[in-house]
Amino acid sequence: GAGVSQTPSNKVTEKGKYVELRCDPISGHTALYWYRQSLGQGPEFLIYFQGTGAADDSGLPNDRFFAVRPEGSVSTLKIQRTERGDSAMYLCASSHSGGWTDTQYFGPGTRLTVL
Amino acid sequence: GDSVTQMEGPVTLSEEAFLTINCTYTATGYPSLFWYVQYPGEGLQLLLKATKADDKGSNKGFEATYRKETTSFHLEKGSVQVSDSAVYFCALTRTGNQFYFGTGTSLTVIP
Repeated sequence: GAGVSQTPSNKVTEKGKYVELRCDPISGHTALYWYRQSLGQGPEFLIYFQGTGAADDSGLPNDRFFAVRPEGSVSTLKIQRTERGDSAMYLCASSHSGGWTDTQYFGPGTRLTVL
Repeated sequence: GDSVTQMEGPVTLSEEAFLTINCTYTATGYPSLFWYVQYPGEGLQLLLKATKADDKGSNKGFEATYRKETTSFHLEKGSVQVSDSAVYFCALTRTGNQFYFGTGTSLTVIP
């Protein structure tokens, strides 16, 4: 079956602009995660959805970052007033139910570059 | 807070050599532990996992044992192949909400 997909694969924007990054999880997966990965680092947790609701958004760095999952499938990560420090690979992952033993399946990521 | 510390790379080995990548963790309670692998040009994928103390996760010839007494989950393989060249990430979760990843260890296997 289809895996997790993310669009766009690359996004170049200018400082101060607004961007949206999209994630399509595996069909039927209720849990969805967003991570940010800087060069040479591991993924850093941003937010976790269980169904339509954000069950844990404690990883969002500030109020410029926001994410939604209105119908419990596709999710959009939104970044306002982008800064150069936001440049990173943004990863999305989904799992069947979000349990602590559950396997996460990662998408290929969106590479965001803020000029 | 919860965290994972893994061996810094890069690691370069000859084909058929023995591999160990060290991973230690800090967490209260009993987290689940994972090794993820990222092959060149591909996304992260689960390699193996262990969900309780003394469990051994294994896959593709790789093994890791959950050691509560040393808070470790070292990755091992007896004979590496060129195709094992990748970046390996150790990770943990206590709740299934937040996952904590190490910084990754790059492995290059030369023929």
